[in-house]
Amino acid sequence: DAMVIQNPRYQVTQFGKPVTLSCSQTLNHNVMYWYQQKSSQAPKLLFHYYDKDFNNEADTPDNFQSRRPNTSFCFLDIRSPGLGDAAMYLCATSRESLGIYEQYFGPGTRLTVT
Amino acid sequence: AQSVTQLGSHVSVSEGALVLLRCNYSSSVPPYLFWYVQYPNQGLQLLLKYTTGATLVKGINGFEAEFKKSETSFHLTKPSAHMSDAAEYFCAVTVGGNQFYFGTGTSLTVIP
Repeated sequence: DAMVIQNPRYQVTQFGKPVTLSCSQTLNHNVMYWYQQKSSQAPKLLFHYYDKDFNNEADTPDNFQSRRPNTSFCFLDIRSPGLGDAAMYLCATSRESLGIYEQYFGPGTRLTVT
Repeated sequence: AQSVTQLGSHVSVSEGALVLLRCNYSSSVPPYLFWYVQYPNQGLQLLLKYTTGATLVKGINGFEAEFKKSETSFHLTKPSAHMSDAAEYFCAVTVGGNQFYFGTGTSLTVIP
């Protein structure tokens, strides 16, 4: 089945220690997104790639970076995680269909910062 | 700009009772509307969507929603709640393009 895969599902890192979360997709969608979701809150868009074009949200901290080496993979790098970065990180993909970009989500990676 | 308001961050219903989760949107142009469900420690799964055409939209797991332009609403309903419906529900709006605006979510509890 075509899907969005996130690894690992659970990640524990230490305060200040760089961490990378990965996302891959078999849907061949040209748009990939990273969201941060804190407990009992809506997902917050961090950035997205439209093909190779990177689009950063204005309020995304510089501590968060992303890479998309090819259509199928996208990475979220947190350079120096703080306690406030503990959250669920959701990857999503989409492609345009009749002007609409319906988003397909992965299962998420829950990040704990100790 | 677009926005979504979900009234009621927590809703409790008895098993077998009607489920009603409210969503109101703000948009200056015709919107596309979505409902997603999120189970604990899972990603978001699409329940249903409204793009154009019929305003009553049926989705998975027996859910449906009605787009009411005059009320700027897109409430989610299910005639009879099941224990497995307990989850977080998010309403989202887009006007085309790849920017989604999510509501703050409604946590549904189903009481046996």
